Amino acid sequence: NAGVTQTPKFQVLKTGQSMTLQCAQDMNHNSMYWYRQDPGMGLRLIYYSASEGTTDKGEVPNGYNVSRLNKREFSLRLESAAPSQTSVYFCASRLDGYEQYFGPGTRLTVT
Amino acid sequence: QKEVEQDPGPLSVPEGAIVSLNCTYSNSAFQYFMWYRQYSRKGPELLMYTYSSGNKEDGRFTAQVDKSSKYISLFIRDSQPSDSATYLCAMRTSNTGNQFYFGTGTSLTVIP
Repeated sequence: NAGVTQTPKFQVLKTGQSMTLQCAQDMNHNSMYWYRQDPGMGLRLIYYSASEGTTDKGEVPNGYNVSRLNKREFSLRLESAAPSQTSVYFCASRLDGYEQYFGPGTRLTVT
Repeated sequence: QKEVEQDPGPLSVPEGAIVSLNCTYSNSAFQYFMWYRQYSRKGPELLMYTYSSGNKEDGRFTAQVDKSSKYISLFIRDSQPSDSATYLCAMRTSNTGNQFYFGTGTSLTVIP
């Protein structure tokens, strides 16, 4: 039981490049989330998916897209990376009525 | 005003001390309160979870909620160097809602 896994662990992009962050969970959770964590800002919700086939915007969705591929996987895509998207990205999952479990994070630097 | 306020610290205490970590919030609709521990370069891990007002104890950790004052606390007894981490408070309004509100985290160092 690996919990929530994220790939890659680290990534450096140039401004304008695109990439997809992958997240998978093996706990049969319904809901999945993408957060970014910046110094002094705490965790901010980018997008979430309450169930397979549904996605909703969070607090900071601009510049990102998501796909809930199936119940296990939820990906986050940056179409044209900007330096302001330099951050640590966390994926989380949750069973309804219970609390979130987080992955180990992806450290992204955009130069 | 942010929904959840948390003193970022840093907080430095000697081993064995009692640590008190706190958050205040503005939304009286919050009913579910959580504490997460985050080690350096790791993801947050759920430490404590409480519903509504009152206390909850788990080993050396006690979570306290005072809804009348909109104030939550986490107490760590007999603190250990392994408790050195950032502690995040979080809260939500309903059991089915997907909007979680996080504090910015308090950095704690326990000195041997």
